[in-house]
Amino acid sequence: QQQVKQSPQSLIVQKGGIPIINCAYENTAFDYFPWYQQFPGKGPALLIAIRPDVSEKKEGRFTISFNKSAKQFSLHIMDSQPGDSATYFCAASRGQTGANNLFFGTGTRLTVIP
Amino acid sequence: ETGVTQSPTHLIKTRGQQVTLRCSSQSGHNTVSWYQQALGQGPQFIFQYYREEENGRGNFPPRFSGLQFPNYSSELNVNALELDDSALYLCASSPQGARSYGYTFGSGTRLTVV
Repeated sequence: QQQVKQSPQSLIVQKGGIPIINCAYENTAFDYFPWYQQFPGKGPALLIAIRPDVSEKKEGRFTISFNKSAKQFSLHIMDSQPGDSATYFCAASRGQTGANNLFFGTGTRLTVIP
Repeated sequence: ETGVTQSPTHLIKTRGQQVTLRCSSQSGHNTVSWYQQALGQGPQFIFQYYREEENGRGNFPPRFSGLQFPNYSSELNVNALELDDSALYLCASSPQGARSYGYTFGSGTRLTVV
């Protein structure tokens, strides 16, 4: 069972556009929601993360919007560039007990056209 | 400061064989987690090691086993390989044991089972 559902599967935008990737979860014990960026042949790299006590977080051109009541969160990429073309994964983790392992979404392949 | 290093980068094995994958954690990180990423999917948690002991396990059979060494490096062993074990195996390290979310991923080992 997929604990974190991610959409869309793929996304194509023009340079300067604002791609939006959405994720939803069911487990209310999740308390940490990171986004990872993965280029071909590389491992995922942490992009930005949010905790459920805030509704929005910005780091450079990347913004996470978080809706705790709807159990949804999304990634917005402002002024997208061809170098942003990669696969993006949302993830969630619960608490500080045990392994606090990450549950990943299925990924969104973003293509930014010059 | 070095990142997470995994070896080998690519590996081809025959069904039924055994394989060992290796990971050197990032300097200062004492926790290592292993993830399996099937083609076109998000990473799936296999297990985590902290202080040389397994600290949590995902939904993987016992033929997936691991070790962590005093220098925090780790091995993933898979026995009786199956075709479905073909995937990218990712190692992630983090500091401060299980109470940290600062995962750094390696570039992975691409395992192909034929």
